[in-house]
Amino acid sequence: DIVMTQSPDSLAVSLGERATINCKSSQSVLYSSNNKNYLAWYQQKPGQPPKLLIYWASTRESGVPDRFSGSGSGTDFTLTISSLQAEDVAVYYCQQYYGSPLYTFGQGTKLEIK
Amino acid sequence: EVQLVESGGGLVQPGGSLRLSCAASGFSFSETWFNWVRQAPGKGLEWVGRIKGKFHGEATDYAAPVKGRFTISRDHSKNTLYLQMNSLKTEDAGVYYCNVDVERRPADPESFDFWGQGTLVTVSS
Repeated sequence: DIVMTQSPDSLAVSLGERATINCKSSQSVLYSSNNKNYLAWYQQKPGQPPKLLIYWASTRESGVPDRFSGSGSGTDFTLTISSLQAEDVAVYYCQQYYGSPLYTFGQGTKLEIK
Repeated sequence: EVQLVESGGGLVQPGGSLRLSCAASGFSFSETWFNWVRQAPGKGLEWVGRIKGKFHGEATDYAAPVKGRFTISRDHSKNTLYLQMNSLKTEDAGVYYCNVDVERRPADPESFDFWGQGTLVTVSS
């Protein structure tokens, strides 16, 4: 089974500062056939379903502010919020689509304002 | 406008059954693959299973914890997805979401761009 491990579990950042969340996969999620990493990032606010932010590790979903960016390849990935806004307080999840089970999520990282 | 509306959640005793529904609109239903993802109270996200479209024979796949107990089906005449849950355990409790990828790859999605609001399942005696 592919296991996704996020770090840290929680994070407190001052408004306007950078927030960085890491995600490590137990196996590579890079498809050699198309050179795409099947790694996505979601934001979930209380009482709401997850919202897709990033797919293919670094492609921003339509409508997502450009302060959100994703990077990484293979087994190590990062979600960066360049300048934290109050509305970014949420839990963030990474998700892979590669092997067994078909989809697995990281345990989540809770982002708060310092 | 894409809409996914789950229903059918509620309180059920351990060992009982429940059928969840997900009414879909605003996109092509028949070839879009659907997934169910659940979230235990205060916990993270867990993939439950998926169903492929008509062309792919509506084949299903399930996560190990629910295999043999849960069944996913779809009704093309009603544009509705179902999750039949049998032999429920306390650890099956949580919010159940249906989701899809409408924009990029409706068949065999790598990620999910639309989620329903979820329906809450409580398993308790």
